[in-house]
Amino acid sequence: EVQLVESGGGLVQPGGSLRLSCEASAFNVNNNYMSWVRQAPGKGLEWVSVIYSGGNTDYADSVKGRFTISRDNSKNTLFLQMNSLRVEDTAVYYCATRGFFDYWGQGTLVTVSS
Amino acid sequence: QLVLTQSPSASASLGASVKLTCTLSSGHSTYTIAWHQQQPEKGPRYLMKVNSDGSHIKGDGIPDRFSGSSSGAERYLTISSLQSEDEADYYCQTWGTGGVFGSGTKVTVL
Repeated sequence: EVQLVESGGGLVQPGGSLRLSCEASAFNVNNNYMSWVRQAPGKGLEWVSVIYSGGNTDYADSVKGRFTISRDNSKNTLFLQMNSLRVEDTAVYYCATRGFFDYWGQGTLVTVSS
Repeated sequence: QLVLTQSPSASASLGASVKLTCTLSSGHSTYTIAWHQQQPEKGPRYLMKVNSDGSHIKGDGIPDRFSGSSSGAERYLTISSLQSEDEADYYCQTWGTGGVFGSGTKVTVL
């Protein structure tokens, strides 16, 4: 059974940084493309970033230049480094698999507030 | 620009059927989409992928009363024999230069 477990969320001040992790089991992070998707309180789903199997990455315009997606093949784990955080980045962050998000994690809450 | 359009809400009685629509923007009528369910206070769950020819591939453990279909630029999710646990938000989603989501349809079971 595929499981994705996110961690690393929390409360951070505007301008601060956080690093999210998504540990996968029964799913090879290295051989598939993986995304981060977020959901602000009371809002819909928003795609954030992708890392392709070849290592190329892409980002939503709202986070470009501030967020960095990466993976550790030895740990079968996906990461999202979030810098220069803004109040509007407050959301639950999910990792999801492949292009049609056939597996989702349970999410981790990021709150950006002073 | 690749955009998915969904109605904000739908409702039907317990045991009845409801059909949700996701419309692809002009020039994108052949795209495959996915449907995701998000029950209250829970994370999203993948339901199925729906192709332009109406064929669909469901996720693990998705009940038979969930089905997908297509017509032109529209992709549908039909839920038959509505149960109380089907009350949820339903998002359609596709892939362009990144993930693209519709705004979601809130389904109420009367």
